Amino acid sequence: GENVEQHPSTLSVQEGDSAVIKCTYSDSASNYFPWYKQELGKGPQLIIDIRSNVGEKKDQRIAVTLNKTAKHFSLHITETQPEDSAVYFCATLTGTASKLTFGTGTRLQVTL
Amino acid sequence: GAVVSQHPSRVICKSGTSVKIECRSLDFQATTMFWYRQFPKQSLMLMATSNEGSKATYEQGVEKDKFLINHASLTLSTLTVTSAHPEDSSFYICSAGASLTSLVEQFFGPGTRLTVL
Repeated sequence: GENVEQHPSTLSVQEGDSAVIKCTYSDSASNYFPWYKQELGKGPQLIIDIRSNVGEKKDQRIAVTLNKTAKHFSLHITETQPEDSAVYFCATLTGTASKLTFGTGTRLQVTL
Repeated sequence: GAVVSQHPSRVICKSGTSVKIECRSLDFQATTMFWYRQFPKQSLMLMATSNEGSKATYEQGVEKDKFLINHASLTLSTLTVTSAHPEDSSFYICSAGASLTSLVEQFFGPGTRLTVL
């Protein structure tokens, strides 16, 4: 089955700096790569996603890049703000199964 | 759009009792619903997948007789934790899947914190 690894587990950046979180996966059949933000005591919220036929996608301060050959994808947050502090999860979806496999999460702390 | 609600948001119960958690898709019909469990500072672990009108498919290691899932309509799924014990205390999250494109995209509920005393 699919195995998703996520790094780093914790990340502390100063406000205004950039943050990068990386994930690798094992199943070459995975074709959808969402990123979720989870605040304390709440469910995950989709912040950006990318499909296997696209290499990069950007939405304001957030971008995701995908390298299917190397089986890794990354989340980039620029100009970080305190409200970006949360746990971020990457995930992959294999189309035939329609099941998401989650990474282990990254706790991002944006300090003033 | 794509709003998913869960009820209750928080429940405390005594050991041995059963607890029912509801998951509703408010503005779309969910062909598939998923139930996850999340322990503190850990990732989401899929417990089961259910399609409307069908029996749920449970992940390996999840007791189907303990975690009863009902998906009677395209907007409602319920998870019942039977004879709950302290080790069942966790954050339970549902997601509703919709075939908006060629993929089944999942939209998550806000979660239910279960504490078993």
